[in-house]
Amino acid sequence: GAVVSQHPSWVICKSGTSVKIECRSLDFQATTMFWYRQFPKQSLMLMATSNEGSKATYEQGVEKDKFLINHASLTLSTLTVTSAHPEDSSFYICSARSLAGALTDTQYFGPGTRLTVL
Amino acid sequence: DAKTTQPTSMDCAEGRAANLPCNHSTISGNEYVYWYRQIHSQGPQYIIHGLKNNETNEMASLIITEDRKSSTLILPHATLRDTAVYYCIVRAVNSGNTPLVFGKGTRLSVIA
Repeated sequence: GAVVSQHPSWVICKSGTSVKIECRSLDFQATTMFWYRQFPKQSLMLMATSNEGSKATYEQGVEKDKFLINHASLTLSTLTVTSAHPEDSSFYICSARSLAGALTDTQYFGPGTRLTVL
Repeated sequence: DAKTTQPTSMDCAEGRAANLPCNHSTISGNEYVYWYRQIHSQGPQYIIHGLKNNETNEMASLIITEDRKSSTLILPHATLRDTAVYYCIVRAVNSGNTPLVFGKGTRLSVIA
């Protein structure tokens, strides 16, 4: 149990285009999902927290108009990188917090999406 | 959430036990100790968590000192596939939307 998937696993795009990354909790409902990014040889950095049906809360320094987050259901959150530029190239990882039961208060992570902007 | 301190890196011989320490001297009574690991180019993997009692599961054992100011993650028989960065994180339970905050972790290298 407690599986989180991400799609795509990697993407290469041209500068100026938009990229959408999907995050799904496969076997549990997640009221809260988190988006992180990780640059080479660095730790994970939280970008935003999203709750189902409400607007995401962004960390300081993360542009909400550039990184659009939609959490439309208890099992799906999407991150859209708009007008991507080479400096947005990174490893994007989503995480889901379970709703209830034995999984409560444990965050489970997706496998990550590697974005390369040319 | 309380801050944690971990060694930057450790080596372990394949087949031996890997003992990864973590200091969390400012931990509060309602804070759990969580351990995750991240294998290269993958998302973090949950390993184990505990409050004050020692815990064991199919992946590892977690030993928490009586004063709760430090803990040790034990991988009983390390394999090459256990090479990863291990993160010790302290977080209050039922803390709403509070996410996990990652430090630099310990880079464990399992050597054949």
